[in-house]
Amino acid sequence: NAGVMQNPRHLVRRRGQEARLRCSPMKGHSHVYWYRQLPEEGLKFMVYLQKENIIDESGMPKERFSAEFPKEGPSILRIQQVVRGDSAAYFCASSPGVGRANTEAFFGQGTRLTVV
Amino acid sequence: KQEVTQIPAALSVPEGENLVLNCSFTDSAIYNLQWFRQDPGKGLTSLLLIQSSQREQTSGRLNASLDKSSGRSTLYIAASQPGDSATYLCAVNTDKLIFGTGTRLQVFP
Repeated sequence: NAGVMQNPRHLVRRRGQEARLRCSPMKGHSHVYWYRQLPEEGLKFMVYLQKENIIDESGMPKERFSAEFPKEGPSILRIQQVVRGDSAAYFCASSPGVGRANTEAFFGQGTRLTVV
Repeated sequence: KQEVTQIPAALSVPEGENLVLNCSFTDSAIYNLQWFRQDPGKGLTSLLLIQSSQREQTSGRLNASLDKSSGRSTLYIAASQPGDSATYLCAVNTDKLIFGTGTRLQVFP
């Protein structure tokens, strides 16, 4: 089991470009979460997805950010028209389910986005 | 709204000391609580998971306790080593993980 895989590990974008971050969950996990970590700050929840469904996007900025988790393939976090304030580490986590006390979430190594 | 607080924000100790890191949360309706370690510029490594019905979990030199009714968890690190230097994060699980801001630990030789 390769664990949660995120790519790219580092991404540099110019202001106004699009950033696409990918997350492949652990084998057997159908739940994916995205978190953002600004420099010197904690992890902030962005969005929670199951296959083909957005369950909770209460932490997503209203504009320019979107996420999907298709039936086949990785989950994608998309940031359109990036600005310098989007520079952060974006972490993905996966779990086999929710609502169970023994459900454990595992994190990827993150994608570090730098907007220049 | 669930809020998670970690105290202290930073801690610097000599090697060999026993440590206690604190985590408090405002809503006791959680499924479980996880402790993570994050090294600079790296991802998160899960250390311990305590289910809501459990009082503590142990892994090697680490022991985590949970008092759900009072909204508190502690992570106890025995005989600290320089390799323990990292940021330690607690997260409570409702239908998503809500993180504290972490305790930055430095253990010096």
